[in-house]
Amino acid sequence: AQSVTQPDIHITVSEGASLELRCNYSYGATPYLFWYVQSPGQGLQLLLKYFSGDTLVQGIKGFEAEFKRSQSSFNLRKPSVHWSDAAEYFCAVGVPSNAGKSTFGDGTTLTVKP
Amino acid sequence: GAVVSQHPSWVICKSGTSVKIECRSLDFQATTMFWYRQFPKQSLMLMATSNEGSKATYEQGVEKDKFLINHASLTLSTLTVTSAHPEDSSFYICSASGPYNEQFFGPGTRLTVL
Repeated sequence: AQSVTQPDIHITVSEGASLELRCNYSYGATPYLFWYVQSPGQGLQLLLKYFSGDTLVQGIKGFEAEFKRSQSSFNLRKPSVHWSDAAEYFCAVGVPSNAGKSTFGDGTTLTVKP
Repeated sequence: GAVVSQHPSWVICKSGTSVKIECRSLDFQATTMFWYRQFPKQSLMLMATSNEGSKATYEQGVEKDKFLINHASLTLSTLTVTSAHPEDSSFYICSASGPYNEQFFGPGTRLTVL
């Protein structure tokens, strides 16, 4: 079965600084990979997804992520963080044969300092 | 596109009563929907997979007689919490599955059982 690890529970960055959130997955083949963002008291919003092709994917709100097969990683990046980016971020892995289910990481809480 | 709504956004009920939560895909047809439960500061816990026109598939440990799921059409799935108790208080989130296992989430429903 697939699994997802987000090693950082909580990250604090200053506004305007760059951001990288880590995500490692375990799966025998190439999975579908996703990053979602959740603002307090809200549902989750899809930031970006990877399912094939170019390993650097662009998402909404200026985010990007890079799939590195050799490292089983799918790290999320943003060159300049805005205060509104403060939220909970979830990495998820999907498997085509798994009836549409995704496995979610435990999440990383991002705090943005002014 | 890919908008999912949930209703109600919050509900307070007395212990022993039943509560119904609706999940609608507003601009696409969702063959598969998912129901999650989320505790404070925690990740999503998948409760069940809802498939249009068939019985829901429940995750291990989820009481199917307590959490009734109906997926009567391609745009509507409902979760009914029967005989609710305070321990059922939680944040319930639904999602609809896209073509690459990406999920489009509703905004969530905060249930408080007194």
